[in-house]
Amino acid sequence: AQSVTQPDIHITVSEGASLELRCNYSYGATPYLFWYVQSPGQGLQLLLKYFSGDTLVQGIKGFEAEFKRSQSSFNLRKPSVHWSDAAEYFCAVLPSGGSYIPTFGRGTSLIVHP
Amino acid sequence: DARVTQTPRHKVTEMGQEVTMRCQPILGHNTVFWYRQTMMQGLELLAYFRNRAPLDDSGMPKDRFSAEMPDATLATLKIQPSEPRDSAVYFCASGLVGQGSNQPQHFGDGTRLSIL
Repeated sequence: AQSVTQPDIHITVSEGASLELRCNYSYGATPYLFWYVQSPGQGLQLLLKYFSGDTLVQGIKGFEAEFKRSQSSFNLRKPSVHWSDAAEYFCAVLPSGGSYIPTFGRGTSLIVHP
Repeated sequence: DARVTQTPRHKVTEMGQEVTMRCQPILGHNTVFWYRQTMMQGLELLAYFRNRAPLDDSGMPKDRFSAEMPDATLATLKIQPSEPRDSAVYFCASGLVGQGSNQPQHFGDGTRLSIL
């Protein structure tokens, strides 16, 4: 069975600073990979996805993520954080065959200081 | 943009009452998921439908929870009788898988349920 680890429960950054949120997965083959963001009182919104091809994926709101097969990682990055980026971020893995049931990480809470 | 629609957005009721939550998936999507989110447990998968057929409901308490898809435009999650420990935010998500076209899940805004 696949698993997803987001090692950081909380991350605090200053507005304007760069951001990297970590995600590691365990799966026998290359899965489909996603990052979602959840603002208070709302559902999860898809930021970006990786299915195949270019390992650097661009998403909405200025986010990008890089798939590194050798490290089983799919870290999310943003060069300059805005106060509105404060939210919960979830990494998810979807098997590329079989049940198609995704596995979500526990989430990383991003706090942005002015 | 197409959206997953959940109703009601908020529900407060007393213990023992029946609760019904509804979800309208995105047109053309062939999978529907029900999740429960709490501070303690995070995001838990309750039920999964593909082409309206229930494929996995192992995460759902069978004695009081039931999930159905009467048609392709409606999914329901019922709790009867409800208990205070059922208080949580319940999310519905839909997606498209298989047939060479896989699309990620799109989530609704959730139903915030409080059982008194």
